[in-house]
Amino acid sequence: QITLRESGPSLVKPTQTLTLTCTFSGFSLSSTGVNVGWIRQPPGKALEWLALIYWDDDKRYSSSLKTRLSITKDTSKNQVVLTMTNMDPVDTGTYFCAHGAGGGGVSDYWGQGIPVTVSS
Amino acid sequence: DIVMTQSPDSLPVSLGERATINCKSSQSVLSSSNNRNYLAWYQQKPGQPPKLLIYWASTRESGVPDRFSGSGSGTDFTLTISSLQAEDVAVYYCHQYYSTAWTFGQGTKVEI
Repeated sequence: QITLRESGPSLVKPTQTLTLTCTFSGFSLSSTGVNVGWIRQPPGKALEWLALIYWDDDKRYSSSLKTRLSITKDTSKNQVVLTMTNMDPVDTGTYFCAHGAGGGGVSDYWGQGIPVTVSS
Repeated sequence: DIVMTQSPDSLPVSLGERATINCKSSQSVLSSSNNRNYLAWYQQKPGQPPKLLIYWASTRESGVPDRFSGSGSGTDFTLTISSLQAEDVAVYYCHQYYSTAWTFGQGTKVEI
Protein backbone atom coordinates (compact mmCIF):
# COMPACT_ATOMS: atom_id res chain seq x y z
CA GLN A 1 0.00 0.00 0.00
CA ILE A 2 1.01 3.63 -0.50
CA THR A 3 2.41 5.45 2.51
CA LEU A 4 4.14 8.80 2.93
CA ARG A 5 5.93 10.21 5.96
CA GLU A 6 7.19 13.73 6.50
CA SER A 7 10.33 14.42 8.52
CA GLY A 8 12.34 17.45 9.49
CA PRO A 9 12.77 19.99 12.30
CA SER A 10 9.84 20.90 14.49
CA LEU A 11 11.32 24.28 15.34
CA VAL A 12 13.18 26.76 13.16
CA LYS A 13 14.27 30.32 13.81
CA PRO A 14 13.16 33.30 11.74
CA THR A 15 15.29 33.83 8.61
CA GLN A 16 16.46 30.20 8.66
CA THR A 17 15.88 27.71 5.85
CA LEU A 18 13.45 24.85 6.43
CA THR A 19 14.25 21.48 4.87
CA LEU A 20 11.54 18.81 4.91
CA THR A 21 11.79 15.27 3.57
CA CYS A 22 8.92 13.12 2.34
CA THR A 23 9.82 9.43 2.43
CA PHE A 24 7.36 7.21 0.62
CA SER A 25 6.68 3.58 -0.20
CA GLY A 26 4.27 1.63 -2.35
CA PHE A 27 4.96 3.53 -5.57
CA SER A 28 7.81 4.79 -7.73
CA LEU A 29 8.35 8.42 -8.63
CA SER A 30 9.87 7.25 -11.88
CA SER A 31 6.53 5.84 -13.08
CA THR A 32 4.73 7.87 -15.74
CA GLY A 33 2.13 10.24 -14.36
CA VAL A 34 3.15 10.07 -10.72
CA ASN A 35 3.69 13.19 -8.65
CA VAL A 36 4.45 14.17 -5.07
CA GLY A 37 3.33 17.47 -3.68
CA TRP A 38 3.58 19.57 -0.52
CA ILE A 39 0.70 21.34 1.20
CA ARG A 40 0.69 23.25 4.48
CA GLN A 41 -1.91 24.33 7.03
CA PRO A 42 -1.46 27.08 9.62
CA PRO A 43 -3.10 26.31 12.97
CA GLY A 44 -6.87 26.58 12.61
CA LYS A 45 -6.65 27.77 9.03
CA ALA A 46 -7.13 26.49 5.50
CA LEU A 47 -4.94 24.26 3.37
CA GLU A 48 -2.34 26.02 1.22
CA TRP A 49 -0.77 24.27 -1.76
CA LEU A 50 2.99 24.78 -1.98
CA ALA A 51 4.76 22.72 -4.64
CA LEU A 52 4.71 19.60 -6.80
CA ILE A 53 7.23 17.44 -8.61
CA TYR A 54 6.40 15.01 -11.41
CA TRP A 55 7.98 11.73 -12.42
CA ASP A 56 9.75 13.53 -15.29
CA ASP A 57 11.22 16.16 -12.91
CA ASP A 58 8.73 18.85 -13.98
CA LYS A 59 8.25 21.17 -11.01
CA ARG A 60 5.41 23.49 -10.04
CA TYR A 61 5.31 26.13 -7.31
CA SER A 62 2.84 28.37 -5.52
CA SER A 63 2.91 31.78 -7.22
CA SER A 64 3.16 33.65 -3.93
CA LEU A 65 5.98 31.49 -2.52
CA LYS A 66 7.96 30.40 -5.57
CA THR A 67 10.94 32.62 -4.79
CA ARG A 68 11.37 30.83 -1.46
CA LEU A 69 10.64 27.22 -2.45
CA SER A 70 12.62 24.42 -4.02
CA ILE A 71 11.45 20.84 -4.56
CA THR A 72 13.68 17.94 -5.56
CA LYS A 73 13.41 14.18 -5.75
CA ASP A 74 15.73 11.26 -5.12
CA THR A 75 14.09 8.35 -6.89
CA SER A 76 16.61 5.82 -5.60
CA LYS A 77 15.81 6.75 -1.98
CA ASN A 78 12.05 7.20 -2.55
CA GLN A 79 12.27 10.71 -1.18
CA VAL A 80 11.13 14.20 -2.09
CA VAL A 81 12.72 17.20 -0.38
CA LEU A 82 11.16 20.63 0.05
CA THR A 83 13.22 23.63 1.09
CA MET A 84 11.76 26.96 2.11
CA THR A 85 14.07 29.89 2.70
CA ASN A 86 13.76 32.93 4.95
CA MET A 87 11.28 31.39 7.37
CA ASP A 88 8.91 33.67 9.28
CA PRO A 89 6.50 33.06 12.16
CA VAL A 90 3.61 33.18 9.67
CA ASP A 91 5.05 30.00 8.13
CA THR A 92 4.17 28.09 11.31
CA GLY A 93 1.87 25.17 10.61
CA THR A 94 1.56 21.54 9.66
CA TYR A 95 3.28 20.50 6.44
CA PHE A 96 1.90 17.55 4.45
CA CYS A 97 3.26 15.63 1.49
CA ALA A 98 0.91 13.78 -0.84
CA HIS A 99 0.95 11.33 -3.77
CA GLY A 100 -0.88 11.83 -7.02
CA ALA A 101 -1.25 9.72 -10.15
CA GLY A 102 -4.72 8.91 -11.42
CA GLY A 103 -7.60 11.33 -11.77
CA GLY A 104 -5.37 13.88 -13.46
CA GLY A 105 -2.77 13.69 -10.74
CA VAL A 106 -5.01 14.71 -7.86
CA SER A 107 -3.46 14.14 -4.42
CA ASP A 108 -5.01 10.91 -3.19
CA TYR A 109 -2.66 9.62 -0.49
CA TRP A 110 -1.38 11.96 2.22
CA GLY A 111 1.16 11.74 5.00
CA GLN A 112 0.11 12.51 8.56
CA GLY A 113 1.90 15.84 8.42
CA ILE A 114 4.70 17.39 10.41
CA PRO A 115 4.14 20.43 12.65
CA VAL A 116 6.69 23.20 12.21
CA THR A 117 6.99 26.21 14.48
CA VAL A 118 8.93 29.31 13.51
CA SER A 119 10.09 31.16 16.58
CA SER A 120 13.21 32.72 18.00
CA ASP B 1 -3.68 32.13 -9.68
CA ILE B 2 -7.10 30.57 -9.77
CA VAL B 3 -8.98 31.67 -6.64
CA MET B 4 -11.41 29.15 -5.17
CA THR B 5 -14.27 30.61 -3.14
CA GLN B 6 -16.50 28.35 -1.06
CA SER B 7 -19.88 29.13 0.45
CA PRO B 8 -20.96 29.06 3.14
CA ASP B 9 -18.03 29.20 5.57
CA SER B 10 -20.05 27.32 8.16
CA LEU B 11 -23.03 25.01 7.63
CA PRO B 12 -25.19 23.71 10.49
CA VAL B 13 -27.16 20.65 9.40
CA SER B 14 -29.40 18.25 11.29
CA LEU B 15 -28.66 14.53 11.22
CA GLY B 16 -30.28 12.91 8.20
CA GLU B 17 -30.66 16.21 6.38
CA ARG B 18 -28.99 17.31 3.14
CA ALA B 19 -25.84 19.42 3.17
CA THR B 20 -24.82 21.46 0.12
CA ILE B 21 -21.49 23.23 -0.26
CA ASN B 22 -20.71 25.52 -3.17
CA CYS B 23 -17.37 26.29 -4.76
CA LYS B 24 -16.65 28.90 -7.41
CA SER B 25 -13.38 29.23 -9.30
CA SER B 26 -12.13 32.54 -10.69
CA GLN B 27 -11.34 30.80 -14.00
CA SER B 28 -12.66 27.71 -15.68
CA VAL B 29 -11.04 24.43 -14.62
CA LEU B 30 -12.56 22.53 -17.54
CA SER B 31 -9.99 21.11 -19.92
CA SER B 32 -10.90 21.36 -23.59
CA SER B 33 -8.53 18.52 -24.42
CA ASN B 34 -10.34 15.85 -22.40
CA ASN B 35 -13.57 17.62 -21.33
CA ARG B 36 -12.79 17.01 -17.67
CA ASN B 37 -13.03 19.40 -14.76
CA TYR B 38 -9.89 19.38 -12.65
CA LEU B 39 -11.81 19.90 -9.42
CA ALA B 40 -11.61 17.79 -6.26
CA TRP B 41 -13.28 17.76 -2.85
CA TYR B 42 -11.58 16.82 0.41
CA GLN B 43 -12.86 16.11 3.91
CA GLN B 44 -10.67 16.94 6.89
CA LYS B 45 -11.32 15.99 10.49
CA PRO B 46 -9.34 17.48 13.41
CA GLY B 47 -5.82 16.16 13.72
CA GLN B 48 -6.03 14.23 10.44
CA PRO B 49 -4.78 14.83 6.92
CA PRO B 50 -7.37 15.62 4.26
CA LYS B 51 -9.21 12.69 2.70
CA LEU B 52 -10.00 12.71 -1.01
CA LEU B 53 -13.74 12.35 -1.61
CA ILE B 54 -14.35 13.44 -5.20
CA TYR B 55 -12.15 14.11 -8.24
CA TRP B 56 -12.93 15.11 -11.83
CA ALA B 57 -15.70 17.15 -10.10
CA SER B 58 -18.05 14.17 -9.82
CA THR B 59 -16.08 10.91 -9.57
CA ARG B 60 -16.28 9.38 -6.14
CA GLU B 61 -13.00 8.03 -4.74
CA SER B 62 -13.01 4.32 -3.96
CA GLY B 63 -14.57 3.57 -0.58
CA VAL B 64 -16.37 6.91 -0.24
CA PRO B 65 -20.04 6.46 0.72
CA ASP B 66 -22.52 7.21 -2.04
CA ARG B 67 -24.23 9.87 0.10
CA PHE B 68 -21.37 12.11 -1.10
CA SER B 69 -21.78 13.48 -4.62
CA GLY B 70 -20.17 16.21 -6.67
CA SER B 71 -21.55 18.20 -9.57
CA GLY B 72 -20.86 21.25 -11.69
CA SER B 73 -18.63 22.32 -14.54
CA GLY B 74 -16.46 25.21 -15.63
CA THR B 75 -16.42 27.57 -12.68
CA ASP B 76 -19.31 26.45 -10.44
CA PHE B 77 -19.30 23.28 -8.39
CA THR B 78 -21.27 21.66 -5.60
CA LEU B 79 -20.61 18.97 -3.02
CA THR B 80 -23.76 17.36 -1.65
CA ILE B 81 -24.10 15.09 1.36
CA SER B 82 -27.54 13.56 0.85
CA SER B 83 -28.18 12.48 4.44
CA LEU B 84 -25.77 13.83 7.02
CA GLN B 85 -24.28 11.30 9.42
CA ALA B 86 -22.50 12.14 12.66
CA GLU B 87 -19.17 11.06 11.18
CA ASP B 88 -19.52 13.63 8.39
CA VAL B 89 -18.85 16.53 10.77
CA ALA B 90 -15.66 17.98 9.32
CA VAL B 91 -14.21 20.78 7.21
CA TYR B 92 -14.62 20.35 3.46
CA TYR B 93 -12.29 21.88 0.86
CA CYS B 94 -12.61 22.27 -2.87
CA HIS B 95 -9.35 22.12 -4.82
CA GLN B 96 -8.40 22.89 -8.40
CA TYR B 97 -5.54 21.02 -10.01
CA TYR B 98 -5.99 22.49 -13.48
CA SER B 99 -3.55 25.40 -13.52
CA THR B 100 0.21 25.38 -13.11
CA ALA B 101 -0.23 26.46 -9.50
CA TRP B 102 -2.88 24.42 -7.70
CA THR B 103 -5.11 26.09 -5.11
CA PHE B 104 -7.64 25.26 -2.38
CA GLY B 105 -10.80 26.94 -1.23
CA GLN B 106 -10.99 28.43 2.25
CA GLY B 107 -12.98 25.52 3.64
CA THR B 108 -16.54 24.95 4.84
CA LYS B 109 -17.16 23.66 8.34
CA VAL B 110 -20.10 21.26 8.50
CA GLU B 111 -21.54 20.87 11.98
CA ILE B 112 -24.64 19.52 13.61
